[in-house]
Formats: sequence, structure tokens, C-alpha cells
Amino acid sequence: DAKTTQPPSMDCAEGRAANLPCNHSTISGNEYVYWYRQIHSQGPQYIIHGLKNNETNEMASLIITEDRKSSTLILPHATLRDTAVYYCIVRPNTGNQFYFGTGTSLTVIP
Amino acid sequence: DAGVIQSPRHEVTEMGQEVTLRCKPISGHDYLFWYRQTMMRGLELLIYFNNNVPIDDSGMPEDRFSAKMPNASFSTLKIQPSEPRDSAVYFCASSLEWRNEQFFGPGTRLTVL
Repeated sequence: DAKTTQPPSMDCAEGRAANLPCNHSTISGNEYVYWYRQIHSQGPQYIIHGLKNNETNEMASLIITEDRKSSTLILPHATLRDTAVYYCIVRPNTGNQFYFGTGTSLTVIP
Repeated sequence: DAGVIQSPRHEVTEMGQEVTLRCKPISGHDYLFWYRQTMMRGLELLIYFNNNVPIDDSGMPEDRFSAKMPNASFSTLKIQPSEPRDSAVYFCASSLEWRNEQFFGPGTRLTVL
């Protein structure tokens, strides 16, 4: 049970912002939202995580709605190297499972 | 740091044989995770350790699977006997604390004929 819903695939033009949505309507108060990506055949790579405030790092921005039922990962200037499967994961602060779900396959188009 | 190291990168074996996958986590990381990835089931958590102690092995599919962590710098995942349905990519990951980001190794692609 992944607890998240993501579109199976998306396209984005190179140089444009890629906005990847994620629904997590059953998220609990102590659960964080994590984003990872997996470039073909490689191990997943951490991108960003947050609890309720918006977060930004050198890779991306994470926007979490006020009710925390959904979030959006933003890659501000997508490049061809950002083509990957992006996983949105809901994870408690302590213990137990860490479900990756099926993710969104993002294709950046030249 | 070289990151998480896994060996072998590829393993081809015959049904019934014993398979041992190895992982060296990032030095200083207290958590180690074993995952399996297949087309049908995606990425599944099999087991994780905290300070070398197995905490949750509820994802281990059968008794044929076992994992150990004899010290902070080494872990093994063993399948005995192996079956064709065990064919998958097995990833090892480590993290400093539970809530921190996990760093994944390059994976071991296992093919059981």
C-alpha cells in the first residue's frame, strides 16, 4: 500500500519547469513526504522531503498544500538528464515501511 | 566516501543454487536497507537494520531469504535455494538516521535460470 497516487507518465520540454503532482489524501500528522527519482537501471536518488512547509534545495522545490493531502515537486529548469521515474513517498517519522509506489515516468523532450 | 557498494553487480545462477549478495554501507550510517525491484511489483523493502540489528523483516518473501549484518560495514542477503521468480534487481541503501535520506547502491541484477 503506497499511500500515494501519481500520474504514470509526463512529458516536459527542456528548459521548462517540470511540475510533478502527488496525492496523499490519507497522510497522517507525523508523516513526511519524500521524493526520489530513479534514472534508468540506477539506484534511486533522494531529491527532497518535507513535513508541511515548502522546501527548496539545489535540485528541486517541494510544495505541500495546506491540508497536506497533496504535493508538487518542481524541477525549475528541466534538462535531458532529468528524464527518470519520480517517486513520491509518504513516510512516518519513526519505524515501519517505506513504500515507493509506481512513480511518474518523466520524459524531458529536447 | 565511495557511497554504498554492492557486489556482485550481476549474478546468473541456476535454480536451486545458493546466492549471496553483499553490501557495504556508507561509513557512519546507522541504518541499512535491502530492497528488491521487479517490473511486476516495483521497488519493495525486504528488511532493514539499525546498528546491525534487524528491525523489520516483514518484507522478506519467504524463509529462503535471510539477511545478516555482522558488523557496521558489511551486510549480506542470501537466497537458498534460489528460484527463477527471485530474478530481480536487489538494492542496498543506507542512511544516517531513519528520517534522513537513503543512499542507494548500484544494485545487483540477479538472474535465476
